[in-house]
Amino acid sequence: EPEVTQTPSHQVTQMGQEVILRCVPISNHLYFYWYRQILGQKVEFLVSFYNNEISEKSEIFDDQFSVERPDGSNFTLKIRSTKLEDSAMYFCASGTDSGLEQPQHFGDGTRLSIL
Amino acid sequence: AQKVTQAQTEISVVEKEDVTLDCVYETRDTTYYLFWYKQPPSGELVFLIRRNSFDEQNEISGRYSWNFQKSTSSFNFTITASQVVDSAVYFCALIPYSSASKIIFGSGTRLSIRP
Repeated sequence: EPEVTQTPSHQVTQMGQEVILRCVPISNHLYFYWYRQILGQKVEFLVSFYNNEISEKSEIFDDQFSVERPDGSNFTLKIRSTKLEDSAMYFCASGTDSGLEQPQHFGDGTRLSIL
Repeated sequence: AQKVTQAQTEISVVEKEDVTLDCVYETRDTTYYLFWYKQPPSGELVFLIRRNSFDEQNEISGRYSWNFQKSTSSFNFTITASQVVDSAVYFCALIPYSSASKIIFGSGTRLSIRP
C-alpha cells in the first residue's frame, strides 16, 4: 500500500539554525499537510497546501515557518531560526481531497530536537 | 468553538478486559467528520475509522467498535477482549465542514493493557 514518507526520522539542530523537514506524499494525492506534536501533547494542525499555495494555516505557523513543493514529489517544511519550543514530532499528511471524503494519510513523523 | 475532548488521560486494564474510550466533540457545523487514530509507542499515527455526521450507524471491526451518538455529541470507541498490542495513545479527531482540511485532535487517551 502506498505511504507517506518522511525524512529524516530524527533531526537534531542547534537553536537558531534553519531546518528543513522533508516529506514525499502519496503520488496521486493533491492535498498536503503538516502537523506538530509536542512530546506528550496532542497533535496540532500547522498548515494545509493545495494547488501550490497555502490553503489554511494555524496561529502556530508564523513567519518562521514556510512550506514548499519544490518538485512533483517532495513537500517540505522549513523552520527559519529554530527555537527550543520547536522541539516536537512533525507529521506530514496527504490526501486525495480536502479530508472530507477520504482520510488524510500520515507519515511516520520526524522527531525534531532543538539543543 | 470547535473542539474534541477526551476526558480520560490514562486507562489501564488487564488483558482480555473490555475498555471504552470516551470522546465528546463540539462543532457549530451540521456537516462534519469524526475519526479515531492510534499512536503506538513507535510514534506513527494509524488511521482507525472515519464517520460522517449523517451516519449514526454504529460500526464494528473485529474487536473494535464505535458508538456515535449525535444527541450527546459523543463518538466512543470500545475494544473488546483487549490485548497487550492494543497499548497505545488513542486520539479522537474532528473535521468540521467549514474548516475542511484541518483535523482537530483531542488530547488523547493513553491505554495500557497489562498481561
